Amino acid sequence: EVQLLESGGGLVQPGGSLRLSCAASGFTFSSYAMTWVRQGPGKGLEWVSAISGSGVSTYYADSVKGRFTISRDNSKNTLYLQMNSLRAEDTAVYYCAKHYSSSSLLSDAFDIWGQGTMVTVSS
Amino acid sequence: DIQMTQSPSSLSASVGDRVTITCRASQGISNYLAWYQQKPGKVPKLLIYTASTLQSGVPSRFSGSGSGTDFTLTISSLQPEDVATYYCQKYNSAPPTFGQGTKVEIK
Repeated sequence: EVQLLESGGGLVQPGGSLRLSCAASGFTFSSYAMTWVRQGPGKGLEWVSAISGSGVSTYYADSVKGRFTISRDNSKNTLYLQMNSLRAEDTAVYYCAKHYSSSSLLSDAFDIWGQGTMVTVSS
Repeated sequence: DIQMTQSPSSLSASVGDRVTITCRASQGISNYLAWYQQKPGKVPKLLIYTASTLQSGVPSRFSGSGSGTDFTLTISSLQPEDVATYYCQKYNSAPPTFGQGTKVEIK
């Protein structure tokens, strides 16, 4: 079964850091680009960042550029999101998602989603 | 960046009704358009990609159409289990922007 399982969320103070992980199983992880999408409380979906299957290419939303870093370890089938200089507006459920296509496209539809991990930024 | 605008923001319809949701892109995106369903408290689910291709396992009462800047998601006969928020997403190029969502309720 194709599955994504996020972890690492929690409560952090403004200006703090957090690293999210997303463990993948059931598919050839290195063959697919991966994405992080977030959803603030009562809000819509916001794309955050994407990374190619090889990990060489990355892309970020303007709202997180310079503060967040996406990476992956294909030997561990795991995707990461390092979040620094966190702000109250970063409070959200963070989902990792698998790109539908097996190509290196950084923009794609997302066919498999994790269950999400909650990040709360508050003092 | 290309903006995606959905309408309406919410709707209420009766079981069995035909429901149509519209998504408009601020620039042409060919057919690089996906639709997602998010039921209350659940994870988003891919319904349709390339504007009109039904994802495996999605009921045939869902359909998508459009190309360029104007797209529609149609539920041919609304069922109670279709209560959800529906999002369009463009992916012709980065960033893959979502629409603001359309909340569908049963009247």
